[in-house]
Amino acid sequence: AQSVTQPDIHITVSEGASLELRCNYSYGATPYLFWYVQSPGQGLQLLLKYFSGDTLVQGIKGFEAEFKRSQSSFNLRKPSVHWSDAAEYFCAVGAVGNEKLTFGTGTRLTIIP
Amino acid sequence: DVKVTQSSRYLVKRTGEKVFLECVQDMDHENMFWYRQDPGLGLRLIYFSYDVKMKEKGDIPEGYSVSREKKERFSLILESASTNQTSMYLCASSLPHFSEAFFGQGTRLTVV
Repeated sequence: AQSVTQPDIHITVSEGASLELRCNYSYGATPYLFWYVQSPGQGLQLLLKYFSGDTLVQGIKGFEAEFKRSQSSFNLRKPSVHWSDAAEYFCAVGAVGNEKLTFGTGTRLTIIP
Repeated sequence: DVKVTQSSRYLVKRTGEKVFLECVQDMDHENMFWYRQDPGLGLRLIYFSYDVKMKEKGDIPEGYSVSREKKERFSLILESASTNQTSMYLCASSLPHFSEAFFGQGTRLTVV
């Protein structure tokens, strides 16, 4: 069965600093991978997704993620965070042949001035 | 803009009550999902529907059922609410083959 691990429950970053959120997945074949963001009191919004092809994926709001098959990772990065990036971030994996997404437990991001 | 609308933002129900959570999407999506979100556990899939009157169990279907009589509407039913069903419930919809899933704002259900 597919699974996702987000090892960091909470990360604090200074405004303007770079960010990397970790995601490791477990799945036998090539996965479909996603990053979603949930701002306080809001639903989830898709940041970016990887299906195939170029392993560096660009998303909205200046985020990018890199798929590394050898490490079973799909880490999310941003070169310079803004106070509005404070939110909870979820990594998710999908499996070929079914439409279900499996989510990680999330990483809460706090931005300090 | 795609809209997924959940009928209530906050709901308080008593133990043993039958509870209906409603979700409507306006983009003619085939797929609809119900997740529950709990601190430290992320989102867990309760049920999934890929067409009218079609449904599949997710990872935690016990104590829940669903109904999809029309393409745009997907209802989650708690047959007899219990305190361990106190949670945030999120509805989502998507086109087939892993296109983007669009989420509603969530319903925070408290069972007392």
